[in-house]
Amino acid sequence: AQKITQTQPGMFVQEKEAVTLDCTYDTSDPSYGLFWYKQPSSGEMIFLIYQGSYDQQNATEGRYSLNFQKARKSANLVISASQLGDSAMYFCAMREGGTGGFKTIFGAGTRLFVKA
Amino acid sequence: DSGVTQTPKHLITATGQRVTLRCSPRSGDLSVYWYQQSLDQGLQFLIQYYNGEERAKGNILERFSAQQFPDLHSELNLSSLELGDSALYFCASSVGSGLTDTQYFGPGTRLTVL
Repeated sequence: AQKITQTQPGMFVQEKEAVTLDCTYDTSDPSYGLFWYKQPSSGEMIFLIYQGSYDQQNATEGRYSLNFQKARKSANLVISASQLGDSAMYFCAMREGGTGGFKTIFGAGTRLFVKA
Repeated sequence: DSGVTQTPKHLITATGQRVTLRCSPRSGDLSVYWYQQSLDQGLQFLIQYYNGEERAKGNILERFSAQQFPDLHSELNLSSLELGDSALYFCASSVGSGLTDTQYFGPGTRLTVL
C-alpha cells in the first residue's frame, strides 16, 4: 500500500494566484513528521516546510503553508502568490519510526506549472 | 546551496563495473542519508549513518554498500552495476537522527550505466 499519495501528477496555476498541492499519508504510528520538498528542473531537492504529528498549528514558511488535517491524514501544501520560479516538482514525504530506525518515504510528486 | 556537497556530478560507466559516490555533509551535521531517484521507482531511501554508525536501512541492494568516516563524509559503493542502476543518487544530511530532523540534500550524482 502507498504510504504517501500525491494524486495530482501535474497542475497549472496562474502567476500571483494560490495553489494547493495534495498529499495524503498512511501510518499507524502516532509520531511522525511530514515534509515538503521542491525539485526544480536543475535537479536539486530544496526543503520547504515541516509539520510534526503533534503540532497543533499548521506550519508556515513565507509563501508556503501546510494544511494539516490529522484525522483525514492529509498534509496539503499551499503556495500563495505563485511565481514563475515556483514551476517545479513538489514532493511530500513522511518520516516515521519502526524496527530499524526512522525512515523517510517520498510520494511520487506533483509537477507544478506556473503560467505568466 | 544546501551546504551538502557530492562528487562527482556525473558518472558514466559500464555494466559490471564498480563506482564510488562521495558526500560531505553540512558543517555540524552528524547524519548522512543516501537516496536513489529513478523514473520508475521514484525517490527511494537507501541507508542512513549517524556519527559513523549505520542507523537505518531502506531499499538498499546487497550490491550496494556505504560507510561514514570519522570526518563524517560518506561514500556509497555500487558494484556489479546493471542498467537499472542508472539513476540520480542523492546524499542528504541533518544535525541529528531523530524524527523531526530536517534533511538537506546535496546536488546529486547522476549515474549512467551503459
